[in-house]
Amino acid sequence: DGGITQSPKYLFRKEGQNVTLSCEQNLNHDAMYWYRQDPGQGLRLIYYSQIVNDFQKGDIAEGYSVSREKKESFPLTVTSAQKNPTAFYLCASSARSNNYYEQYFGPGTRLTVT
Amino acid sequence: KNQVEQSPQSLIILEGKNCTLQCNYTVSPFSNLRWYKQDTGRGPVSLTIMTFSENTKSNGRYTATLDADTKQSSLHITASQLSDSASYICVVSGDFGNEKLTFGTGTRLTIIP
Repeated sequence: DGGITQSPKYLFRKEGQNVTLSCEQNLNHDAMYWYRQDPGQGLRLIYYSQIVNDFQKGDIAEGYSVSREKKESFPLTVTSAQKNPTAFYLCASSARSNNYYEQYFGPGTRLTVT
Repeated sequence: KNQVEQSPQSLIILEGKNCTLQCNYTVSPFSNLRWYKQDTGRGPVSLTIMTFSENTKSNGRYTATLDADTKQSSLHITASQLSDSASYICVVSGDFGNEKLTFGTGTRLTIIP
C-alpha cells in the first residue's frame, strides 16, 4: 500500500446522502487517481489529477466530484446523483520510472449505500 | 475499443504446484503491460511492468512474458505458496504520458494445502 492512505476502510451511508472518501499520499507524487472496482469488472477510472488545482474526468465521472487543493490530498465525493454508489473505491498516485509512470494503490474504501 | 481479457477467471491449485495465467489485449497504441496482485479487500500491488521491447521479466517466483506481435502476455507462478492466493490483474497502458490504463477483470487464484 506504500505511502497512500485511504479512510475509512468501510463506510455506510443512506441513499440520498453525499459522502466523501479521503485519500492522502506522502510519496511526493504529482498525479493522483480514483478508481471504482465492482465484482467481475476491471477497475474503472473516475477522476484523475496530474497537478494541484487541476483534474480531469475519467470514464465514469457522473455522480462524483473531486478537489485537489494540496499535492498530498485528493478527496472524492460520491453524490446522491450516483445511481449505483456501492462499490470498492481505490485511490492511486504515480511517479515516472524509466519510460513509464508506475501507479501505487491505496488500501481502498468499501462504500455501502442502502 | 481497448480491451484486456484474462483467462481463466478462476483457478485452484495445490500448494507447491506451478501455474500460468493468460492475458490477451487489443489496446493500441501500446506502451507497457503490467501485472498486479490484489489480495481480497486490499489495493493492487505491482508485480512486473514490461515495455514493448521486453519479452520476459521476473520478480521472485513470478515470471511474466510478453508477445507484442500476438498481443498476449502470461504470468507464470513457480512453486506456489498459500500466500499466492489472490486476484492477478493484467493492465495495459496505451500511451506513455497519457496514464490511461485498461484493466482486465483478473484471475482469482486459490492455493490449497
